[in-house]
Amino acid sequence: DQQVKQNSPSLSVQEGRISILNCDYTNSMFDYFLWYKKYPAEGPTFLISISSIKDKNEDGRFTVFLNKSAKHLSLHIVPSQPGDSAVYFCALGSARQLTFGSGTQLTVLP
Amino acid sequence: DGGITQSPKYLFRKEGQNVTLSCEQNLNHDAMYWYRQDPGQGLRLIYYSQIVNDFQKGDIAEGYSVSREKKESFPLTVTSAQKNPTAFYLCASSIPGSYYGYTFGSGTRLTVV
Repeated sequence: DQQVKQNSPSLSVQEGRISILNCDYTNSMFDYFLWYKKYPAEGPTFLISISSIKDKNEDGRFTVFLNKSAKHLSLHIVPSQPGDSAVYFCALGSARQLTFGSGTQLTVLP
Repeated sequence: DGGITQSPKYLFRKEGQNVTLSCEQNLNHDAMYWYRQDPGQGLRLIYYSQIVNDFQKGDIAEGYSVSREKKESFPLTVTSAQKNPTAFYLCASSIPGSYYGYTFGSGTRLTVV
């Protein structure tokens, strides 16, 4: 039973537009929430995070939103750039471990 | 510079052979992890270790073994019992319970020929 789901395996967006990546979870015990970015043949790198006491965290072009009642996490990238093309994983933390979603391949078209 | 080093980057193995993937970190992290990524799939946890000389099975431990004799090192052995070993393997480390999550290595791509 998957505790963390990224239901869109891929997303294509025009350069300059907003990219919205989504992540849903079932376990209410998760208490910290992260997004990782991964390029082919490389390890994932940390992008942005949010704690369970907040509903929004912003870092430049990247904003993470947390809706705890809906058990929904999202990442907004605006404006999107071609260099943002990568696989994005949400990762949810509890009990000293992270549980990863299956990833969404974002392609930003020039 | 602190980080995690995985070696080799590419590895080829004949069927029926064991092979060991190296993972070394100089971040002074207590916890280390091994993940497997297959095309179109997410990261699946193979083994993890929260402290030296202790490790736990993850979701897909069958056919794999690990050791944690030193804080800095967490090698993964892919045994001949692993039925489908061709994959991209990622090692990570963390301060247990760290809000900022894991630091990953650059991965090893294992191909069985």
